[in-house]
Amino acid sequence: DTEVTQTPKHLVMGMTNKKSLKCEQHMGHRAMYWYKQKAKKPPELMFVYSYEKLSINESVPSRFSPECPNSSLLNLHLHALQPEDSALYLCASSPLKVRENTEAFFGQGTRLTVV
Amino acid sequence: DAKTTQPPSMDCAEGRAANLPCNHSTISGNEYVYWYRQIHSQGPQYIIHGLKNNETNEMASLIITEDRKSSTLILPHATLRDTAVYYCIVSPRGGATNKLIFGTGTLLAVQP
Repeated sequence: DTEVTQTPKHLVMGMTNKKSLKCEQHMGHRAMYWYKQKAKKPPELMFVYSYEKLSINESVPSRFSPECPNSSLLNLHLHALQPEDSALYLCASSPLKVRENTEAFFGQGTRLTVV
Repeated sequence: DAKTTQPPSMDCAEGRAANLPCNHSTISGNEYVYWYRQIHSQGPQYIIHGLKNNETNEMASLIITEDRKSSTLILPHATLRDTAVYYCIVSPRGGATNKLIFGTGTLLAVQP
């Protein structure tokens, strides 16, 4: 199984809502990532988890709260978002050990619209 | 993180080879060159990576110059399904700081 599964595929939320994005992989990868992608722009790294611990936060506003409950799951909790946060949110995973192939696998993303 | 420079767009005729260049003049000795592509509205897809030797797989070939300051991704027989944005990324291999920082990429349009 070489898939990264993201749910939901589409999400519309109001600025006062709380919602969560979910990401799951069963490849045994111990690094997981959240990226944000605006239209016609490259993906921007938000967070990196290594061995279920947050290792990189690219100065993301606190209204985005990541969580890695176990080695297969990654969540992104959303609260009090702004319309400018509307974007495609991509999850990815990769091995951490150098002797393994370190290609990253990406999910198909969650298209988020904040109204 | 080392930066990469790619042309914003390129055209290629279907069935011909597509050669996509990338400059990475500040690459460090422990950094690999990775190529990913993103077909419209999909997640990025890994293509190939290399350190200093040329590499080939079922999708593409990667040619890295001897000084490692630039590379070329070659799609030997482009098809319409290869129309995508191609990203060249330099990154250390593995480790807790392994992260992929995407540049602006090259939009490859394969023409019938």
